[in-house]
Amino acid sequence: NAGVTQTPKFRVLKTGQSMTLLCAQDMNHEYMYWYRQDPGMGLRLIHYSVGEGTTAKGEVPDGYNVSRLKKQNFLLGLESAAPSQTSVYFCASSYSTAGGPHEQYFGPGTRLTVT
Amino acid sequence: KQEVTQIPAALSVPEGENLVLNCSFTDSAIYNLQWFRQDPGKGLTSLLLIQSSQREQTSGRLNASLDKSSGRSTLYIAASQPGDSATYLCALPPRGYSNTGKLIFGQGTTLQVKP
Repeated sequence: NAGVTQTPKFRVLKTGQSMTLLCAQDMNHEYMYWYRQDPGMGLRLIHYSVGEGTTAKGEVPDGYNVSRLKKQNFLLGLESAAPSQTSVYFCASSYSTAGGPHEQYFGPGTRLTVT
Repeated sequence: KQEVTQIPAALSVPEGENLVLNCSFTDSAIYNLQWFRQDPGKGLTSLLLIQSSQREQTSGRLNASLDKSSGRSTLYIAASQPGDSATYLCALPPRGYSNTGKLIFGQGTTLQVKP
Protein backbone atom coordinates (compact mmCIF):
# COMPACT_ATOMS: atom_id res chain seq x y z
CA ASN A 1 0.00 0.00 0.00
CA ALA A 2 1.67 3.20 -1.17
CA GLY A 3 -1.05 5.39 0.41
CA VAL A 4 -1.19 8.87 -1.11
CA THR A 5 1.52 9.77 -3.61
CA GLN A 6 2.22 13.08 -5.32
CA THR A 7 4.10 13.87 -8.52
CA PRO A 8 6.38 15.81 -8.84
CA LYS A 9 8.09 16.44 -5.50
CA PHE A 10 9.67 19.73 -6.60
CA ARG A 11 9.09 22.10 -9.48
CA VAL A 12 10.22 25.55 -10.54
CA LEU A 13 8.03 27.46 -12.99
CA LYS A 14 8.29 30.81 -14.66
CA THR A 15 5.40 33.24 -14.44
CA GLY A 16 2.76 32.37 -17.02
CA GLN A 17 3.75 28.74 -17.44
CA SER A 18 1.28 25.95 -16.82
CA MET A 19 1.61 22.63 -15.05
CA THR A 20 -0.38 19.77 -13.56
CA LEU A 21 0.18 18.18 -10.18
CA LEU A 22 -0.85 14.56 -9.89
CA CYS A 23 -2.21 12.91 -6.77
CA ALA A 24 -2.84 9.18 -6.62
CA GLN A 25 -4.23 7.02 -3.82
CA ASP A 26 -4.51 3.24 -3.66
CA MET A 27 -6.87 3.02 -0.67
CA ASN A 28 -10.12 3.20 -2.67
CA HIS A 29 -11.05 6.43 -0.90
CA GLU A 30 -14.07 8.38 -2.09
CA TYR A 31 -12.91 11.81 -0.99
CA MET A 32 -9.84 13.65 -2.20
CA TYR A 33 -8.50 17.14 -1.43
CA TRP A 34 -5.87 19.64 -2.52
CA TYR A 35 -4.36 22.03 0.06
CA ARG A 36 -1.66 24.63 -0.01
CA GLN A 37 0.53 25.44 2.97
CA ASP A 38 2.13 28.83 3.39
CA PRO A 39 4.11 30.30 6.32
CA GLY A 40 1.79 32.23 8.62
CA MET A 41 -1.31 31.12 6.69
CA GLY A 42 -1.41 27.47 7.64
CA LEU A 43 -3.14 24.88 5.48
CA ARG A 44 -5.91 26.09 3.18
CA LEU A 45 -8.21 23.99 1.04
CA ILE A 46 -8.03 24.71 -2.70
CA HIS A 47 -10.47 22.19 -4.21
CA TYR A 48 -11.94 18.90 -3.16
CA SER A 49 -13.85 15.96 -4.59
CA VAL A 50 -16.49 13.78 -2.95
CA GLY A 51 -16.33 11.13 -5.65
CA GLU A 52 -15.24 10.24 -9.16
CA GLY A 53 -16.35 12.85 -11.67
CA THR A 54 -17.17 15.50 -9.03
CA THR A 55 -15.20 18.52 -7.83
CA ALA A 56 -15.94 21.52 -5.63
CA LYS A 57 -14.23 24.75 -4.61
CA GLY A 58 -12.50 25.19 -1.29
CA GLU A 59 -11.25 28.34 0.43
CA VAL A 60 -8.72 29.50 -2.19
CA PRO A 61 -9.73 28.10 -5.62
CA ASP A 62 -8.79 31.05 -7.84
CA GLY A 63 -6.04 30.30 -10.35
CA TYR A 64 -6.45 26.53 -10.04
CA ASN A 65 -8.50 23.86 -11.78
CA VAL A 66 -8.98 20.22 -10.87
CA SER A 67 -10.24 17.01 -12.39
CA ARG A 68 -11.23 13.62 -10.96
CA LEU A 69 -11.70 11.39 -13.98
CA LYS A 70 -10.65 8.29 -12.09
CA LYS A 71 -11.44 7.49 -8.48
CA GLN A 72 -7.79 7.01 -7.58
CA ASN A 73 -6.46 10.21 -9.17
CA PHE A 74 -6.99 13.90 -8.44
CA LEU A 75 -5.23 16.42 -10.68
CA LEU A 76 -4.49 20.03 -9.81
CA GLY A 77 -3.78 22.38 -12.70
CA LEU A 78 -2.23 25.82 -12.83
CA GLU A 79 -3.06 27.38 -16.19
CA SER A 80 -0.92 30.51 -15.85
CA ALA A 81 1.37 30.35 -12.83
CA ALA A 82 1.91 33.44 -10.68
CA PRO A 83 4.52 34.10 -7.95
CA SER A 84 1.65 34.11 -5.40
CA GLN A 85 1.23 30.41 -6.14
CA THR A 86 4.65 29.61 -4.73
CA SER A 87 3.78 27.18 -1.96
CA VAL A 88 3.85 23.61 -0.77
CA TYR A 89 0.89 21.66 -2.12
CA PHE A 90 -0.56 18.69 -0.29
CA CYS A 91 -3.05 16.15 -1.51
CA ALA A 92 -5.17 14.13 0.91
CA SER A 93 -7.85 11.46 0.76
CA SER A 94 -10.39 9.96 3.11
CA TYR A 95 -12.86 7.10 3.09
CA SER A 96 -16.54 7.51 3.71
CA THR A 97 -18.67 6.16 6.51
CA ALA A 98 -22.40 6.31 7.14
CA GLY A 99 -21.81 9.65 8.85
CA GLY A 100 -19.63 11.14 6.14
CA PRO A 101 -15.88 11.30 5.40
CA HIS A 102 -13.48 9.97 7.97
CA GLU A 103 -9.90 10.89 8.84
CA GLN A 104 -7.72 12.29 6.11
CA TYR A 105 -4.49 10.77 4.87
CA PHE A 106 -1.92 13.10 3.37
CA GLY A 107 0.68 12.81 0.64
CA PRO A 108 4.30 13.99 1.05
CA GLY A 109 3.76 17.31 -0.72
CA THR A 110 4.97 19.14 -3.82
CA ARG A 111 7.16 22.18 -3.35
CA LEU A 112 6.41 24.66 -6.15
CA THR A 113 8.35 27.85 -6.82
CA VAL A 114 7.14 30.38 -9.38
CA THR A 115 9.72 32.95 -10.44
CA LYS B 1 -17.46 31.34 10.97
CA GLN B 2 -15.39 28.64 12.63
CA GLU B 3 -11.94 29.73 13.79
CA VAL B 4 -9.33 27.37 15.17
CA THR B 5 -6.52 28.58 17.42
CA GLN B 6 -3.52 26.75 18.81
CA ILE B 7 -1.51 28.29 21.60
CA PRO B 8 1.41 28.32 22.15
CA ALA B 9 2.91 28.47 18.67
CA ALA B 10 6.08 26.79 19.97
CA LEU B 11 6.99 24.71 22.98
CA SER B 12 10.30 23.29 24.21
CA VAL B 13 10.44 20.65 26.95
CA PRO B 14 13.03 18.24 28.36
CA GLU B 15 12.76 14.58 27.50
CA GLY B 16 10.45 12.57 29.77
CA GLU B 17 8.09 15.42 30.56
CA ASN B 18 4.34 15.03 30.16
CA LEU B 19 2.82 17.85 28.12
CA VAL B 20 -0.46 19.23 26.85
CA LEU B 21 -1.11 20.92 23.53
CA ASN B 22 -4.20 23.10 23.19
CA CYS B 23 -6.69 23.65 20.39
CA SER B 24 -9.58 26.13 20.69
CA PHE B 25 -12.51 26.58 18.33
CA THR B 26 -15.24 29.22 18.21
CA ASP B 27 -18.25 27.19 17.00
CA SER B 28 -19.13 24.35 19.37
CA ALA B 29 -21.37 22.61 16.81
CA ILE B 30 -18.60 20.39 15.54
CA TYR B 31 -18.85 17.01 13.82
CA ASN B 32 -15.39 15.73 14.72
CA LEU B 33 -11.89 16.97 15.42
CA GLN B 34 -8.64 15.55 14.13
CA TRP B 35 -5.08 15.88 15.43
CA PHE B 36 -2.17 15.66 12.99
CA ARG B 37 1.59 15.59 13.23
CA GLN B 38 3.87 17.20 10.64
CA ASP B 39 7.62 16.61 10.50
CA PRO B 40 9.77 19.26 8.76
CA GLY B 41 9.49 19.01 4.99
CA LYS B 42 6.95 16.20 5.22
CA GLY B 43 3.22 15.71 4.87
CA LEU B 44 0.73 15.39 7.69
CA THR B 45 0.19 12.18 9.62
CA SER B 46 -3.16 11.62 11.30
CA LEU B 47 -2.78 10.90 15.01
CA LEU B 48 -6.29 10.80 16.45
CA LEU B 49 -9.83 11.61 15.38
CA ILE B 50 -12.49 12.36 17.98
CA GLN B 51 -16.15 12.26 17.04
CA SER B 52 -18.43 14.91 18.54
CA SER B 53 -20.09 12.25 20.72
CA GLN B 54 -16.76 11.22 22.28
CA ARG B 55 -14.91 12.78 25.20
CA GLU B 56 -11.48 11.34 24.44
CA GLN B 57 -9.41 9.04 22.27
CA THR B 58 -6.15 7.29 23.10
CA SER B 59 -3.33 5.91 20.99
CA GLY B 60 -0.21 4.75 22.79
CA ARG B 61 1.28 7.71 24.68
CA LEU B 62 -1.20 10.12 23.10
CA ASN B 63 -4.56 11.08 24.54
CA ALA B 64 -6.87 13.60 22.93
CA SER B 65 -9.83 15.07 24.77
CA LEU B 66 -12.77 17.09 23.54
CA ASP B 67 -14.93 19.58 25.45
CA LYS B 68 -17.43 21.06 23.00
CA SER B 69 -19.09 23.33 25.54
CA SER B 70 -15.84 25.18 26.19
CA GLY B 71 -14.68 24.97 22.57
CA ARG B 72 -11.50 23.16 23.45
CA SER B 73 -9.51 20.05 22.64
CA THR B 74 -6.23 18.99 24.21
CA LEU B 75 -3.58 16.55 23.08
CA TYR B 76 -1.73 14.99 25.99
CA ILE B 77 1.66 13.42 25.30
CA ALA B 78 3.03 11.22 28.06
CA ALA B 79 6.73 10.70 28.72
CA SER B 80 7.84 12.83 25.78
CA GLN B 81 10.76 11.69 23.60
CA PRO B 82 13.01 13.54 21.14
CA GLY B 83 11.21 11.68 18.34
CA ASP B 84 8.03 13.52 19.31
CA SER B 85 9.57 16.76 18.04
CA ALA B 86 7.30 17.99 15.25
CA THR B 87 4.48 20.42 14.54
CA TYR B 88 1.10 19.34 15.83
CA LEU B 89 -2.06 20.60 14.15
CA CYS B 90 -5.70 20.26 14.98
CA ALA B 91 -8.44 20.50 12.36
CA LEU B 92 -12.19 20.24 12.16
CA PRO B 93 -14.94 20.63 9.57
CA PRO B 94 -16.87 23.91 9.44
CA ARG B 95 -20.56 23.86 10.33
CA GLY B 96 -22.62 22.35 7.55
CA TYR B 97 -19.69 20.73 5.78
CA SER B 98 -19.35 17.51 7.75
CA ASN B 99 -20.24 15.41 4.70
CA THR B 100 -17.64 17.00 2.42
CA GLY B 101 -14.44 16.42 4.34
CA LYS B 102 -13.55 20.12 4.33
CA LEU B 103 -11.30 20.95 7.26
CA ILE B 104 -10.24 24.16 8.97
CA PHE B 105 -6.75 23.91 10.42
CA GLY B 106 -5.15 25.62 13.36
CA GLN B 107 -1.73 27.22 12.86
CA GLY B 108 -0.06 24.43 14.79
CA THR B 109 2.21 24.10 17.81
CA THR B 110 5.85 23.30 17.08
CA LEU B 111 7.19 21.01 19.78
CA GLN B 112 10.84 20.44 20.56
CA VAL B 113 11.77 17.71 23.01
CA LYS B 114 15.35 18.08 24.20
CA PRO B 115 17.39 14.99 25.14
